[in-house]
Amino acid sequence: GENVEQHPSTLSVQEGDSAVIKCTYSDSASNYFPWYKQELGKRPQLIIDIRSNVGEKKDQRIAVTLNKTAKHFSLHITETQPEDSAVYFCAASGANFGNEKLTFGTGTRLTIIP
Amino acid sequence: DGGITQSPKYLFRKEGQNVTLSCEQNLNHDAMYWYRQDPGQGLRLIYYSQIVNDFQKGDIAEGYSVSREKKESFPLTVTSAQKNPTAFYLCASSISSVPGNEQFFGPGTRLTVL
Repeated sequence: GENVEQHPSTLSVQEGDSAVIKCTYSDSASNYFPWYKQELGKRPQLIIDIRSNVGEKKDQRIAVTLNKTAKHFSLHITETQPEDSAVYFCAASGANFGNEKLTFGTGTRLTIIP
Repeated sequence: DGGITQSPKYLFRKEGQNVTLSCEQNLNHDAMYWYRQDPGQGLRLIYYSQIVNDFQKGDIAEGYSVSREKKESFPLTVTSAQKNPTAFYLCASSISSVPGNEQFFGPGTRLTVL
């Protein structure tokens, strides 16, 4: 089955600087890669996603890049703000019956230092 | 908050007892999921259901059981066979199980075995 590795497990960034979180996946058939943000005591929420036919996607201060050959994808947050402090999870899933379920990474705790 | 609810928020159980966690959604979603969240381990899939009266095991199904008798409801029973049940349990739903459909999460139930 799919295996998703996520790094780093913790990340501290000065407010205004950029943050990058990286994930690798094992199943070359995976073609959907969402990122979820979980604030303290709250439920995970989707913040951005990318499909394998696209190399990069941007939404205001957040962007995701995908390298299918290397089987890795990354989340980039620019101009970080205190409200960006949270745990971020990457995930991957395929399109075929049996591998359509999401496999999550272990999470990155991002702390923005004022 | 997405129309998916879980109850109770906190649950305490004695060793050897079965306990059932509730998950209800009013989003008219076909697919529903149960995840377990432990510190440093991300979200791990316990069971999922693509449609009423059907469900499949996830990655860590041992010691758990589910039912899907109604579209809106997907209760999870933690049985006495689950060796380490203390964890945070998250329910999610999506319009279908086809990859690319956002999963919406409930607020979670924190189960503690005394």
